[in-house]
Amino acid sequence: QQQVKQSPQSLIVQKGGIPIINCAYENTAFDYFPWYQQFPGKGPALLIAIRPDVSEKKEGRFTISFNKSAKQFSLHIMDSQPGDSATYFCAAKYQAGTALIFGKGTTLSVSS
Amino acid sequence: DADVTQTPRNRITKTGKRIMLECSQTKGHDRMYWYRQDPGLGLRLIYYSFDVKDINKGEISDGYSVSRQAQAKFSLSLESAIPNQTALYFCATSDSRTGGVFNYGYTFGSGTRLTVV
Repeated sequence: QQQVKQSPQSLIVQKGGIPIINCAYENTAFDYFPWYQQFPGKGPALLIAIRPDVSEKKEGRFTISFNKSAKQFSLHIMDSQPGDSATYFCAAKYQAGTALIFGKGTTLSVSS
Repeated sequence: DADVTQTPRNRITKTGKRIMLECSQTKGHDRMYWYRQDPGLGLRLIYYSFDVKDINKGEISDGYSVSRQAQAKFSLSLESAIPNQTALYFCATSDSRTGGVFNYGYTFGSGTRLTVV
């Protein structure tokens, strides 16, 4: 059973567009929701993260929106740039003694 | 030098061979993880360790074993490699002692691309 469902699998936007990547989860015990960014040939790197007591978090051009009642969270990239082209993973974690569970990833391509 | 170093970067091995992937870190983190990445399947957890004496199975531990030789070293072994273990393998670390809300951030290595023929 997939605990964190991510969509879409791939996304193409033009420079300046606002790509949105969505994730849904079932386990209401999850209490930490990060997003990771991965460039080709590199390991994933933490981009931004949120706790369920907050509905939105912004860091630069990246925003997480969190809907606790719907058990969904999403990543928005404002004014997207070709350098944002990468694979993005959402993830979730519950309690301190476990590891992150990742979604299947979204490959984003931003055309110039 | 990289904070999390994985060796080898690339490896081709034959079916049935035993192979070890190594991970070392200079972050001083206490927690270490092994993930496997396959196209369309994302990152799946193989094993994780919260300290030298702690080893836990992840989602897909069958066919794999691990050893935490020291706080800084965590190796992954495939006892008898099979073709469907062909994948990109990542080691990651995190620090349980960091304060604040976002102390769960992982530092990943650059990965080992393993091909089993």
